[in-house]
Amino acid sequence: EAQVTQNPRYLITVTGKKLTVTCSQNMNHEYMSWYRQDPGLGLRQIYYSMNVEVTDKGDVPEGYKVSRKEKRNFPLILESPSPNQTSLYFCASSLGLGSGNQPQHFGDGTRLSIL
Amino acid sequence: GEDVEQSLFLSVREGDSSVINCTYTDSSSTYLYWYKQEPGAGLQLLTYIFSNMDMKQDQRLTVLLNKKDKHLSLRIADTQTGDSAIYFCAESSGNTPLVFGKGTRLSVIA
Repeated sequence: EAQVTQNPRYLITVTGKKLTVTCSQNMNHEYMSWYRQDPGLGLRQIYYSMNVEVTDKGDVPEGYKVSRKEKRNFPLILESPSPNQTSLYFCASSLGLGSGNQPQHFGDGTRLSIL
Repeated sequence: GEDVEQSLFLSVREGDSSVINCTYTDSSSTYLYWYKQEPGAGLQLLTYIFSNMDMKQDQRLTVLLNKKDKHLSLRIADTQTGDSAIYFCAESSGNTPLVFGKGTRLSVIA
């Protein structure tokens, strides 16, 4: 089954304790992306990756890091989490950006609470 | 930068039609999308339309595009309680990341 898998689904942690949210897709997609969703703000893109070893900042990259060492994985790293990073995070992937009929497949989300 | 605007809430009675509206600013938008987010889940692509089309129909869903006014709408016929969700409008010029609206929460009253 084609899917984007995020882990963990829920995490409560404390300020400053490094954490990683993993994202894996099994569709051989080149494009992967991370979003955060906050009430009243909709979806905002954090980082995206067009292919292995190619990553770019989205609209709200501050406080986050990503890596794309393999095609299937795109982890989101919070080196020193702060309470303003409490949010619902989504990973998404698609074949590419070159054609409109390539939908983005979304994971089920990771709810992070930073105390 | 590009911007996509949607009203935040819509409430309709079961069986009625729902119309969710969206405006965008990027005149180079090539692809326009509607995504649905059910509670506790990620976004699911509902439908999309190319900028050279005026209308697209898919079962209960009708997408209308007014390119001159940069206005996109999603009509859901015979709205059911299972249609209650957040609906996101998004646009792309084809080689740029999607830009999403803030989402419209549709509530269906039985």
